[in-house]
Amino acid sequence: DGGITQSPKYLFRKEGQNVTLSCEQNLNHDAMYWYRQDPGQGLRLIYYSQIVNDFQKGDIAEGYSVSREKKESFPLTVTSAQKNPTAFYLCASSTASQDEKLFFGSGTQLSVL
Amino acid sequence: RKEVEQDPGPFNVPEGATVAFNCTYSNSASQSFFWYRQDCRKEPKLLMSVYSSGNEDGRFTAQLNRASQYISLLIRDSKLSDSATYLCVATRGGKLIFGQGTELSVKP
Repeated sequence: DGGITQSPKYLFRKEGQNVTLSCEQNLNHDAMYWYRQDPGQGLRLIYYSQIVNDFQKGDIAEGYSVSREKKESFPLTVTSAQKNPTAFYLCASSTASQDEKLFFGSGTQLSVL
Repeated sequence: RKEVEQDPGPFNVPEGATVAFNCTYSNSASQSFFWYRQDCRKEPKLLMSVYSSGNEDGRFTAQLNRASQYISLLIRDSKLSDSATYLCVATRGGKLIFGQGTELSVKP
């Protein structure tokens, strides 16, 4: 079955540590996105990529980094520079056409130890 | 001011009620609009796109008013299973911008 897989489901980070969240899709979608969701709030865009080897900052990119070496994969690294990383992280993909419906992974809950 | 703003929740309604959610967007260049549904701690799922002429899908009706930059979602004959958070979404330059969501709780 086609879909988006995020791992791990739960992740804990120690102070000063970088952690990487995985996102893989087999939908053959060109565009991929990372969103952050805090309790009681909507989704805020961290980074997005519309083609391989290219990505753009979203509205809250500080403290995060990404890569897009393969069409299927868009990992997100939460660096030690992100001082408030505890949140629910959602990866999504789309065909990047004008009617930009997003397909989401099941999310990763990141917490700080 | 948030780029996409929704009615604050939560909405608590009895089964069978009709409930309406409102949403405004500030960027007049936004082209596409959607409603997503999100269950607690799950990923959002597309409920329906919103078209200028208005569109209906069973008990759900979406409306768009570009002049007022306003989007609405009407749910008729509410079911217990409709309890969720409803997210309004507008596109901006190839990106989807989400509202903060409105929580709906349908009670027996």
